[in-house]
Order: sequence, then structure tokens, then C-alpha cells
Amino acid sequence: EIVMTQSPLSLPVTPGEPASISCRSSQSLLHSNGHNYMDWYLQKPGQSPQLLFYLGSLRASGVPDRFSGSGSGTDFTLKISRVEAEDVGVYYCMQSLQSPPTFGPGTRVDIK
Amino acid sequence: QVHLLQSGPEVKKPGASVKVSCKTSGYNFGNYGVSWVRQAPGEGPVWMGWISGKNGTPRYAQNLEGRLTLTTDTSTTTVYMELRSLRSDDTAVYYCARDVGVDGSGSPYNQLDNWGQGTLVTVSS
Repeated sequence: EIVMTQSPLSLPVTPGEPASISCRSSQSLLHSNGHNYMDWYLQKPGQSPQLLFYLGSLRASGVPDRFSGSGSGTDFTLKISRVEAEDVGVYYCMQSLQSPPTFGPGTRVDIK
Repeated sequence: QVHLLQSGPEVKKPGASVKVSCKTSGYNFGNYGVSWVRQAPGEGPVWMGWISGKNGTPRYAQNLEGRLTLTTDTSTTTVYMELRSLRSDDTAVYYCARDVGVDGSGSPYNQLDNWGQGTLVTVSS
């Protein structure tokens, strides 16, 4: 199965400042159709996970444009241009190129 | 709007079975599948399986084959997750999530775009 790793695992942030999370996969997630089969999810405290990005960089409905997703192959990045208090939680990357879909260990983002 | 409503918390003894329901609404049930994901206390999510809303075809994580059964009731647009021979390490919050499950060419592809509220299953003697 494909192993997902993330860094950092913990990210204290200052409101208004940018933040960046890295996700790497043990195998390329680039499908022959040209899409990267990698999603980003955010689990806010006490809530279910929610989809942020799919196919690596496509923003899900309702996700603020201060969030961006990029990358290809084995290296992906989630960026927040200006962190807001409501962005705290655990961010997970997940691959679905190969079954079973596998999640990264998560990056916990909290306010300094 | 899309909504997935799960059944309430369960407490089971080791060796027992649990069946969790996920009532869906707000979309064409046949156009999507539903994945089940569990999250043990303090851990990350783990995918368990997916079932097609179109024809009821399931896909299971290999480590749960034989203990996990996913079913659908198209008349009520409800999906069920049954896990048998429960162990203490099955204690977790179980989530259902709407999931296309296949890409345009029919290959497996997962995009969990709407999630249920979660169901806590506790396995304890």
C-alpha cells in the first residue's frame, strides 16, 4: 500500500501569517490521465473531516481562496496565505491512486 | 443540500457484531457511492471500504475482508456497515462519506466530499 508522510506534524501559527504543509507519497500519484489522485482534508476540533482539495489542486466547494493546493507526483503542498483562527485543526492528505486509499499522519495546526 | 445522518453510539462486547446506518439525502443516490472510514482515539482516519449506490457493489480493505459487510437500501437511500467478531482495537469513531468511488474510466478513485457526523463504537468487556 502507498505510504503517505506529512511535515511538520505540528504547526503553531500566528493569525494573518502564511502557513505551509508538505505531503509526500511513497509512489507517484500521477495517473495516466494526467491527474494526481491526492486529496486534502481538514478535521476541525470535534468535527468530521471535510474535503478541502481533490486531484491535488482543485478547491472543493465553499473552501476559501486563501487556501491553495499544489504539487505533482510524490510531493504536494497545502498553503494558507493568511491564517485565520477558524483554520485550526488537523490537516490530512489522502491518496486514492491505489486501493486502499491511505491517509497521512496529519498536521495539527493551532494558534500560537 | 447533501446530508448523511448516522445512527447513534454503540457499546459492544468482544466477539459481538455492530451495524451502523448512514441515511443519505439531498443527491441522486445512484450517482455516488459511500465510503466508510474509522478513526481510533487519537489516531488518523483509516479507510474501511466503499459501496456503489448504483448497483451495491462493495470494495473492502483487505485487512477487514471477512469481518466487514456493506449494504445499501435504495428505497430509503440508506447505507449499512456491519462489522463482526469485534475486538477492543475496533473501538473507534466510524464515519460514512459520500464518495464517487470510480473515475471517468471506471477505475477506483475516492473523493470523500460529504461526511456523516460519526458514530462512536466502543468494544469493551
